[in-house]
Amino acid sequence: EVVLTQSPITLSLSPGERATLSCRASQSVNIKYLAWYQQKSGQPPRLLIYGASGRATGVPDRFSGGGSGTDFTLTITRLEPEDFAVYYCQHFGSSPPRYTFGQGTKLEIK
Amino acid sequence: QVHLVQSGAEVKKPGASVKVACRAFGFSFTSDYMQWVRQAPGQGLEWMGLINPSGDGTAYAQKFQGRVSMTRDTSTVYMELSRLRSEDTAVYYCARITSAGPNDYWGQGTLVTVSS
Repeated sequence: EVVLTQSPITLSLSPGERATLSCRASQSVNIKYLAWYQQKSGQPPRLLIYGASGRATGVPDRFSGGGSGTDFTLTITRLEPEDFAVYYCQHFGSSPPRYTFGQGTKLEIK
Repeated sequence: QVHLVQSGAEVKKPGASVKVACRAFGFSFTSDYMQWVRQAPGQGLEWMGLINPSGDGTAYAQKFQGRVSMTRDTSTVYMELSRLRSEDTAVYYCARITSAGPNDYWGQGTLVTVSS
């Protein structure tokens, strides 16, 4: 089973700054199966990135994903007030089918 | 427009069962895998399992094996969790699984509270 570890747990930044969030897998994973979500309080998660670097429909281009093997990043350039939320990475495997989430990174206003 | 609309909040006693419904609007529901994810208060996301488009195939997280059942009909997917305990208090989400694997549409969530 793949375990995802996100860091930092909390990231305090100001609007306009750049955020870099990390997701480390316990074993090498196929980039096709790595996604990122944003979740705001009281709302369901929102898909941001799929296939490690593809932006989902409607996601602003200040969000970008990258990485390979065991190390993946979500970068947000020029933070907007609405970007302060919790971010999760997700891996899905097919044999057997299962999904795992990282524990989340809370991006808060400094 | 795509919507997943879930049934309302539930309060259950320990040992009871709960069945949460998730109705799909605006897409060819019968072609899609669906899954359930839960989130305990103040905690992260936890995958529970998935069901295939025809409803005759499921995969459950080991943690819930023997306690969870996922079923579906032509417009709605269901998740039933039995032998409830206080640690099952959480918001339960349904989500569509895209052909590439991630979840593009989510229900609004259903709060299940387990309390004596």
